[in-house]
Amino acid sequence: GQQVMQIPQYQHVQEGEDFTTYCNSSTTLSNIQWYKQRPGGHPVFLIQLVKSGEVKKQKRLTFQFGEAKKNSSLHITATQTTDVGTYFCAGDRGSTLGRLYFGRGTQLTVWP
Amino acid sequence: DTEVTQTPKHLVMGMTNKKSLKCEQHMGHRAMYWYKQKAKKPPELMFVYSYEKLSINESVPSRFSPECPNSSLLNLHLHALQPEDSALYLCASSPWGPREETQYFGPGTRLLVL
Repeated sequence: GQQVMQIPQYQHVQEGEDFTTYCNSSTTLSNIQWYKQRPGGHPVFLIQLVKSGEVKKQKRLTFQFGEAKKNSSLHITATQTTDVGTYFCAGDRGSTLGRLYFGRGTQLTVWP
Repeated sequence: DTEVTQTPKHLVMGMTNKKSLKCEQHMGHRAMYWYKQKAKKPPELMFVYSYEKLSINESVPSRFSPECPNSSLLNLHLHALQPEDSALYLCASSPWGPREETQYFGPGTRLLVL
């Protein structure tokens, strides 16, 4: 079964609105990573969260890792058309090196 | 050099053809991966090589045959594929070790099997 749940599957926002995607794992994670895939492109690494309760920011993007290391979120403030794409979380359970459990992704559409 | 390269970018093949996908990285990473991605789905792990040895095979059909000639190169040999094998094939690499799992993806090969 699916190891990492990600919601929502789709999100449509108007430019300037905020956006959040959430991931939840059934098991404790060693770390969680976030990737962005533009339409027609390939996944591009955004960030890795390792510590319980960790919060990291990249300009308008804020990433959080839950205290129990089972959930994570990505929040984008004031979306821009360049934010369009699918955002994937990928959890590392720490049990098998090289094995990431990808969420199904959130496809973000931004209307100008 | 911080990129993973893949060739070809596009490939169309018949079900009786034999073809190979190639991947290369020069970041000194010791792990390399093959993923398959269908439209609107997450990447699906196929194979993992660490230190040039196959460490994970996700029960992939034998018509897909990986090869790692050295730490910088990864190939995927294709033979007798089915139309449902049409997908984006992504290669990735990463350093190897606990908390060194960040994976860097190549641009992929878009494969169409007729």
